[in-house]
Formats: sequence, structure tokens, C-alpha cells
Amino acid sequence: NAGVMQNPRHLVRRRGQEARLRCSPMKGHSHVYWYRQLPEEGLKFMVYLQKENIIDESGMPKERFSAEFPKEGPSILRIQQVVRGDSAAYFCASSPGGQGVYNEQFFGPGTRLTVL
Amino acid sequence: AQTVTQSQPEMSVQEAETVTLSCTYDTSESDYYLFWYKQPPSRQMILVIRQEAYKQQNATENRFSVNFQKAAKSFSLKISDSQLGDAAMYFCAWHSYGKLTFGQGTILTVHP
Repeated sequence: NAGVMQNPRHLVRRRGQEARLRCSPMKGHSHVYWYRQLPEEGLKFMVYLQKENIIDESGMPKERFSAEFPKEGPSILRIQQVVRGDSAAYFCASSPGGQGVYNEQFFGPGTRLTVL
Repeated sequence: AQTVTQSQPEMSVQEAETVTLSCTYDTSESDYYLFWYKQPPSRQMILVIRQEAYKQQNATENRFSVNFQKAAKSFSLKISDSQLGDAAMYFCAWHSYGKLTFGQGTILTVHP
């Protein structure tokens, strides 16, 4: 049973380019969460998605960031016109269920984004 | 807003000794979960232990145990018989309604 998969593991972009980060949840999991970890800091919640729905995007920056979890395929975190401050590790987690009832979140290995 | 505070940026322990990592949190909710995660140099987040807020009994997982004080909003992690493989960054986290709120982390060094 494969765990949460993220690709790419490392991504280098120049300022102004777009970054696309992919997350494939564990088999049977229908809920995905994205977190960002800046250097020397803890993980910060960004967005919580269920297939074809955004449940909670309270941690997403208002501009340049978007996320989706389509009916088919992986979840995508998209960052447009990247800036140096976007350099961070981006973690995806998945769970079988959602809010209200505890469901353990299983984390992927993360994507380290470097903006030159 | 919910916050999680880890006041110890770094801790060290001798192999085979015991160490306690501190965590406090702030919430007005009554039903929630608390966790300790370990992040080794590989950056993979590994769940160490979890505590349900409605349970008074402290959780234990082998050499790892917690001291959960709900009234004081305190949730410390005790690692007994420390091993070299325990060296990592440790994060305390609070969970409610789908999202985890993490503390700033404590770097644990284990000396042989």
C-alpha cells in the first residue's frame, strides 16, 4: 500500500515562473491537505480539499496560490509568478475522512521549492 | 485563533537518558486532538503519539509518553531510554476540523 506521493521532490524556478506541485493521496483517501514549511519554522496549514471541493482555504495567500483536487488525478498546488519568499518545503497529507471526526493525516515526503 | 507554542528551540540528551519536550496551546474548543510529530533530516513527518482531549489518561507508545494537562493547556512529550535515532526536530500539533496547527519545533540532539 503506497503512501502519499508527491512530485517533484525538488523544484527550482526563477522569479516570475509558475510552480506546480502534485500530490497523490493514499489509496482510499478522499481528503487532501497542503502545508508549507518555511526554513527553521513549523508547518503552516494552507488548504484542505475533498475531491472537487475546497473545504477550507483559510491558510492560502490571497494572490498567486491556488489548489485543486479533481475527480480523477492528483491534487495540484499551483503558485503563479513565484517570488523568493515562496521558497519552502510544501507538504501534502491525506486522510480517509474529513472534518468533525478525527482522521489521521498521513504525510508525503514534501516538495522543496527553490526560487532563484 | 488557536496557537501552539514550543518554548524550547533546542534540547539535548545523553543516550539512554530521559528528556521532556514542552508544548502549550491555546484554544476555546473542548473537543480536539493533540499530536507529537518527528521530522528527521529526511524531512518526512512521522507521527509519534496522539492524545484525545476527552481522555484523561495520558497516551503512551513504547518509550514515548505524554503529560496532558487539559486545564493548563499543556502537552509535554517524554522520551525514555533515548536512542541516537531519536535525534530530529519534534513538532507539537493541535487538530480540529480537519487542519493541524503546529508549534515552532524543538531540535533534539542525542549524544552517544
